[in-house]
Amino acid sequence: KAGVTQTPRYLIKTRGQQVTLSCSPISGHRSVSWYQQTPGQGLQFLFEYFSETQRNKGNFPGRFSGRQFSNSRSEMNVSTLELGDSALYLCASSRGGGASAPTDTQYFGPGTRLTVL
Amino acid sequence: AQSVTQLDSHVSVSEGTPVLLRCNYSSSYSPSLFWYVQHPNKGLQLLLKYTSAATLVKGINGFEAEFKKSETSFHLTKPSAHMSDAAEYFCVVSDRGSSNTGKLIFGQGTTLQVKP
Repeated sequence: KAGVTQTPRYLIKTRGQQVTLSCSPISGHRSVSWYQQTPGQGLQFLFEYFSETQRNKGNFPGRFSGRQFSNSRSEMNVSTLELGDSALYLCASSRGGGASAPTDTQYFGPGTRLTVL
Repeated sequence: AQSVTQLDSHVSVSEGTPVLLRCNYSSSYSPSLFWYVQHPNKGLQLLLKYTSAATLVKGINGFEAEFKKSETSFHLTKPSAHMSDAAEYFCVVSDRGSSNTGKLIFGQGTTLQVKP
């Protein structure tokens, strides 16, 4: 079974630009979550989507947004990039259903390394 | 609210000696706990998880962890370290909260160094 894939793997942008990252979950998984990893803040939860609906959101500004498509693929968008947005963005997928969601294993992709200059 | 604290930011062991990575948790609910490993420039790989079944959980690559409710701990151990174990390890709790979501809360990570 193919794992979680993320594209692109590396991105370089300048301040003020916007960026879109893509995540394809494991086949059959309906939940996709996004995390930001930085040396200073560690791994922080951005948001989670399940069946095309945002189910949970972390404490990030509105410049960070996402969506999920009917095939469970997900995108996240960051507008008006700031230097502090430089990070590794990780996507994770899980089966995601109802009451079992907190115990589901989440499978992570390799990440997208975003550098903002 | 749920949280995890990894007690050591860096652990150094010699190859062939035991590994102990310490993690304490705080949770208002019966917790779901995980250990993930991250090798350089790679994503996160699940080592093991605890979801209220057996308190001693066995994972991949010879790792195991014991859930101790009285001590609110979930320490990761391995009897004999291998050079390939050098990586960053994360203790993670699932944020059950008031809704059933898959949000994970990560510890700050422990870097494991294995010396030959």
